[in-house]
Amino acid sequence: AQSVTQPDARVTVSEGASLQLRCKYSYFGTPYLFWYVQYPRQGLQLLLKYYPGDPVVQGVNGFEAEFSKSNSSFHLRKASVHWSDWAVYFCAVSRTGGYKVVFGSGTRLLVSP
Amino acid sequence: NAGVIQTPRHKVTGKGQEATLWCEPISGHSAVFWYRQTIVQGLEFLTYFRNQAPIDDSGMPKERFSAQMPNQSHSTLKIQSTQPQDSAVYLCASSLGGGTEVFFGKGTRLTVV
Repeated sequence: AQSVTQPDARVTVSEGASLQLRCKYSYFGTPYLFWYVQYPRQGLQLLLKYYPGDPVVQGVNGFEAEFSKSNSSFHLRKASVHWSDWAVYFCAVSRTGGYKVVFGSGTRLLVSP
Repeated sequence: NAGVIQTPRHKVTGKGQEATLWCEPISGHSAVFWYRQTIVQGLEFLTYFRNQAPIDDSGMPKERFSAQMPNQSHSTLKIQSTQPQDSAVYLCASSLGGGTEVFFGKGTRLTVV
């Protein structure tokens, strides 16, 4: 069965520093992968998505993620974190032709001044 | 496109009472999902429908929770004999299926007192 692991429940980054949030997936076949963000007191919004093709995908607000089949990973990156990035980030996996989307437990990003 | 609409946004019930949560998916979306979000458990999958048919309810607590989708424009999640541990934000989401991205509603915050 497909599953997603986000090993870091909480990550603290200084404003202006770079960021990587980790995501490992378990899936047989070709996955579709997603990162969602949930800002304080708001719903979940799509940040970026990977469909088979270029392994590096760009999202909104300077975020990008890289798909690695060999490592079963889909880590999220940002070169310079802003205080407004303070949120919870969820990684998710689905499959081509499928319907169910499985989410990880989320990583809470804290931005320090 | 108003997105996924959930009503009510907030609901307070007394212990032992019934709670019904409503969801209107995005028009044309064939998949509808229900999730539960708490601080402790994170984002938990409850159930999903495809073309109104229940497909996977593996996340539903068996005894008191039920979900229905009587037509393509709305779904309900019913909790009988609510308990304090049912307090959470219940999220509804929909997608076109085929592994594509999921769009979330703003959620219903259920508080059982």
